Amino acid sequence: NAGVTQTPKFRVLKTGQSMTLLCAQDMNHEYMYWYRQDPGMGLRLIHYSVGEGTTAKGEVPDGYNVSRLKKQNFLLGLESAAPSQTSVYFCASSWTAGNQPQHFGDGTRLSIL
Amino acid sequence: QKEVEQDPGPLSVPEGAIVSLNCTYSNSAFQYFMWYRQYSRKGPELLMYTYSSGNKEDGRFTAQVDKSSKYISLFIRDSQPSDSATYLCAMCVGAGANNLFFGTGTRLTVIP
Repeated sequence: NAGVTQTPKFRVLKTGQSMTLLCAQDMNHEYMYWYRQDPGMGLRLIHYSVGEGTTAKGEVPDGYNVSRLKKQNFLLGLESAAPSQTSVYFCASSWTAGNQPQHFGDGTRLSIL
Repeated sequence: QKEVEQDPGPLSVPEGAIVSLNCTYSNSAFQYFMWYRQYSRKGPELLMYTYSSGNKEDGRFTAQVDKSSKYISLFIRDSQPSDSATYLCAMCVGAGANNLFFGTGTRLTVIP
């Protein structure tokens, strides 16, 4: 049982490049989330999904897009990467609403030069 | 003002000590309170989960919630080097909430 798997684990991009981060969960969870974690800022919600085919904005959505075409996958896209998007990105999932325990992946470390 | 405030530490204690970690919050509507543990280069993992006020104990860990003071605590008894990690508090307003509000985390080191 892998839980929540994130790929890639590390990536270095140049400013203006695009990329997609992939999150896959095998727990049949309805809710999925993308967070970024920065020193002194804690975990901040970027986007989330309450089910297949749905997405919604979180606290810091600008510069990111997401898609949830399949229940088990949640993709986070950066269309034109900026140095301010250098961060550690975490995906999480939960059975239902936000009050339920969230299961996290081990993160993607992204550097934008 | 952030919704959830947490002292970032770092906090260093000798093995066997009692550790107290704390968070304060401003939104009186928060009802669900959680503590996550995050090891270096890993994702957070749920440690404790409580609803409303009161205490909850699980082995060496005790979570306390004081809604009147908007203050939550995590106590670790007989701390071990394996407890060295960053501890994040998190909370949300209700069963229909779509997201958690996290503290910035407190980094704990337990010295053998």
